[in-house]
Amino acid sequence: GNSVTQMEGPVTLSEEAFLTINCTYTATGYPSLFWYVQYPGEGLQLLLKATKADDKGSNKGFEATYRKETTSFHLEKGSVQVSDSAVYFCALSAGFNKFYFGSGTKLNVKP
Amino acid sequence: DVKVTQSSRYLVKRTGEKVFLECVQDMDHENMFWYRQDPGLGLRLIYFSYDVKMKEKGDIPEGYSVSREKKERFSLILESASTNQTSMYLCASSLSSGQGNSPLHFGNGTRLTVT
Repeated sequence: GNSVTQMEGPVTLSEEAFLTINCTYTATGYPSLFWYVQYPGEGLQLLLKATKADDKGSNKGFEATYRKETTSFHLEKGSVQVSDSAVYFCALSAGFNKFYFGSGTKLNVKP
Repeated sequence: DVKVTQSSRYLVKRTGEKVFLECVQDMDHENMFWYRQDPGLGLRLIYFSYDVKMKEKGDIPEGYSVSREKKERFSLILESASTNQTSMYLCASSLSSGQGNSPLHFGNGTRLTVT
């Protein structure tokens, strides 16, 4: 079946630190992979996506590479800011309107 | 940019009331979804719709119904609200894509409290 596993949080970093949030998946077929971000009190916003193996999605300094060999889609950012504090969700879609979400990882960035 | 608008940010209802949550999208998307989000349980799909008047049950449809009379509007109905339906409700929309590479676009959510 299809599922997404992401690292438990919270993750606490100082401003300008390097960020990695791990995400691995299991899927039948050839899924598309997504990262969403949720700021307090808001809905989820699409951060980036990748639709095939070796694709790199990037946005706002965040990036993630679709690794089929390790079934991973880790989120990275070279230098986090306080404004990046939020909950990050990894998700996959294998077609037919079905999305699978990870449990979310809360990021706290301290000044 | 796609805009998905949920009619209320916060709602407080009493047990047994009939509750309507409304969602409108402005990008002519075929697909619309209702999720609920609870701490420790993540996002769970309640219902989705792939066309006007069409609906499919998600993972937790019990106690809910939906209505899609127009393409841009998708309503979630709690026929008789109960305290275990206290939650954050998220509406989303997407373009149709057999390959599954169209992302979901979410509204800001409705936090419903049933007392």
